[in-house]
Amino acid sequence: GDSVTQMEGPVTLSEEAFLTINCTYTATGYPSLFWYVQYPGEGLQLLLKATKADDKGSNKGFEATYRKETTSFHLEKGSVQVSDSAVYFCALMDSSYKLIFGSGTRLLVRP
Amino acid sequence: DSGVTQTPKHLITATGQRVTLRCSPRSGDLSVYWYQQSLDQGLQFLIQYYNGEERAKGNILERFSAQQFPDLHSELNLSSLELGDSALYFCASSVGTSNSPLHFGNGTRLTVT
Repeated sequence: GDSVTQMEGPVTLSEEAFLTINCTYTATGYPSLFWYVQYPGEGLQLLLKATKADDKGSNKGFEATYRKETTSFHLEKGSVQVSDSAVYFCALMDSSYKLIFGSGTRLLVRP
Repeated sequence: DSGVTQTPKHLITATGQRVTLRCSPRSGDLSVYWYQQSLDQGLQFLIQYYNGEERAKGNILERFSAQQFPDLHSELNLSSLELGDSALYFCASSVGTSNSPLHFGNGTRLTVT
């Protein structure tokens, strides 16, 4: 079945460092891909999405490119802030329009 | 604010009891999803409804049931509760078509003692 694999966390960075969180997927066809963020005590918020190969989703300085050839959707940000500390989830939308999530990656940004 | 409302925010109950979690979707959304988030299992899909009909079912225990009402709100019923059922339960809603993202509520934290 469809699945998403994320790099294990926690990822600890200093403020203004470059961020990459790896995400790969297994699916039949070419599903839409998403990144969600969960701040402490809150629900998941949509961060960005891409619906077809080579699409780049972007929001709040975060970017991810849909790579069909490597079945990947890595999340990047050029300069992280303390306020970016959260758990990040990669997900794909399957054929019944539900999301299948990766296990989540906790990011901790230190001042 | 996602527009998805979940009640209650917290629930503490004893083993063997039954609880009901409620979800009101965003205005205009026809599809409702339930997910369970626990520390060691991540986000597990439970069940999905579209316009009152069950569309997909995931790893939902037989002790759990759900429904979506004509006004599109949904309820998740958990019975014969066990300690292992302690988790965050999220509801999400979407338009229910291809590429439409899910919008999540803030969850109900269930503690079974």
